Amino acid sequence: DSGVTQTPKHLITATGQRVTLRCSPRSGDLSVYWYQQSLDQGLQFLIQYYNGEERAKGNILERFSAQQFPDLHSELNLSSLELGDSALYFCASSGSAPNTDTQYFGPGTRLTVL
Amino acid sequence: SQELEQSPQSLIVQEGKNLTINCTSSKTLYGLYWYKQKYGEGLIFLMMLQKGGEEKSHEKITAKLDEKKQQSSLHITASQPSHAGIYLCGADILRYNNNDMRFGAGTRLTVKP
Repeated sequence: DSGVTQTPKHLITATGQRVTLRCSPRSGDLSVYWYQQSLDQGLQFLIQYYNGEERAKGNILERFSAQQFPDLHSELNLSSLELGDSALYFCASSGSAPNTDTQYFGPGTRLTVL
Repeated sequence: SQELEQSPQSLIVQEGKNLTINCTSSKTLYGLYWYKQKYGEGLIFLMMLQKGGEEKSHEKITAKLDEKKQQSSLHITASQPSHAGIYLCGADILRYNNNDMRFGAGTRLTVKP
């Protein structure tokens, strides 16, 4: 158990819909990262937040947005969903001692868009 | 084309054998990460390398970074069935003022008992 929790575990929705994925980081971790993993694209970094502020941005579509709240949990919002958005979405957190660079991954949310 | 090339794509070894997985970047590396993923499960962060020549170990797994070759190698000594899984490398590619990360396609390791 990494200490990172993600909800929901599975999500099935239709094209055009909007969903919110939630991530709770490990206690003490200030950074949260979001990744997308699909069969055709592999693993892709989406975005990183540090203590509520956006720190780094990767291949995140304009239809996607994220935020980190004062209690450090994070949400990834996916809107106008397309079939190609079906993937595993991972959240990771890092920052607490002693290994501040180590990223701890959650179990992922499997999104299926029908 | 992949900015990070991993080789081999898959590997089958006998338990107890040593093995090496390589990760080569087409761009300058500013940080190199290794992850392991069990089939259908989440990722496990193994280690991060930042400086040329840096070498780190995690149990029987050792990784090195060769900045000049823009390459990292992951070496497993005396492999065990528990080492089986998909090994992914990831790298920081600084672009303008925006940090970004790229990942290799993964190396699928099977360890035969």
